[in-house]
Formats: sequence, structure tokens, C-alpha cells
Amino acid sequence: QVQLVESGGGVVKPGGSLRLSCAASGFTFSDYYMNWIRQAPGKGLEWISYISGGSSFTNYADSVRGRFTISRDNTKNSLYLQMNSLRAEDTAVYYCARRLGSAWFRLDPWGQGTLVTVSS
Amino acid sequence: SYVLTQPPSVSVAPGQTASITCGGDKIGKRSVHWFQQMPGQAPVLVVYDDTERPSGIPERFSGSNSGNTATLTIGSVEAADEADYYCQVWDTRADHFVFGTGTKVNVL
Repeated sequence: QVQLVESGGGVVKPGGSLRLSCAASGFTFSDYYMNWIRQAPGKGLEWISYISGGSSFTNYADSVRGRFTISRDNTKNSLYLQMNSLRAEDTAVYYCARRLGSAWFRLDPWGQGTLVTVSS
Repeated sequence: SYVLTQPPSVSVAPGQTASITCGGDKIGKRSVHWFQQMPGQAPVLVVYDDTERPSGIPERFSGSNSGNTATLTIGSVEAADEADYYCQVWDTRADHFVFGTGTKVNVL
């Protein structure tokens, strides 16, 4: 079945870096746009980035643009998020999700999430 | 940027119907998707394209969308339906996903 598994979360100091990974299985990974979404403790969902199947197109939320970089390796069925210059407000559970649809896109499925804590 | 507004909470007795609204400017012209998020778990798609249900989602979950409001309706509510619910649309102008503010459904 379609499955997404995130890893790489942890505790990092402000200004530090972290790289998240998302391992995909059960579908042809290279055919799909992939996304990162985060959820701060007790807060709602915030989309932060997407990447096209062939990596030609990316976009970022203003809150992370210039600090985070999304990438993928289709030979490894893996999605990545390089996070630099981390701030306390980046503390959140980070989810990866597949994009579906032809125009009015939706996200399905989601991984189980990985927790990133930015604290001194 | 496009904004989606949901009520913070909805309370409903078991067996009754819960309605969760999602307000946005001319949202009826977009397709709306709905997610259920249990505590400590990832969101799960329960309705897509306004009214469609993914495989495995009970018929008790239904959706509608018109004008400036989309609605997720949960019929014959069960204790297991207690969760946070989020609406979502695609913002074509901004080229990214937008989520509603989220609604906590409390089963009395």
C-alpha cells in the first residue's frame, strides 16, 4: 500500500541545521509532486514546500523561503527537507504528503510525521 | 493570500449530526478537501472534491460547497469521531496549499 515514512527530526539549537527525509513506497514516486507540511504544538496545519516529480518546480512558504530547501532522489524514492538557520518558531511536527488531483489539488496520504524542536 | 475560516469547536451528542463550516471568498468556485486528525496522528483525507469520499471512509461523512461556505457533515456521530477537522483548498494564484484554521469536534 501507499506509505510515507519521515525521519530525521530531533532537537537543534537556534541557528542550527537539520535534514528531514521521507521514504515513499507503494507508488511510482517520480510521477508525483511531493510536499512538506508542518504543525506547531497545539496549532493548525501549515504548508511549507512542494517539489515536482522531476525536481524542475519548487515553491516555499514565505516563512521558510531562503532557509529551507526541498529536494528528492527518485532513485531512492526519497524526499528531503534541508532546514538551515532554524528558529524557535520552526518547532513543529513535519509531515510529508503526496499531491493528488488535476487542478484543485489535495494531499493524500500523509506520513506519520517527525518532530523538530528548536531550543537552546 | 487566500484565507479559510473554521469555528474553533463544535459539540455534538452521540447519534446526532455535526456540521463543520469552512468559510472563504467564493469558495464555491473551488474544490474543497477535508481532513480528520486524531490526537497524535497524521491528518487523514475524509472528503475530497467537495463531496467525494476516499475508499474506506464511512458514508456518514459527506460534504457540500456553495457560495462562500463549504461544509463537512458527520451523520450519526460516534465517540470515535472526536478529532480535529481541517478544510483545504489549492490557491492557484499563490501556487500553494491553504488550510482552514481547524475545528475540534467534541462528542458529548
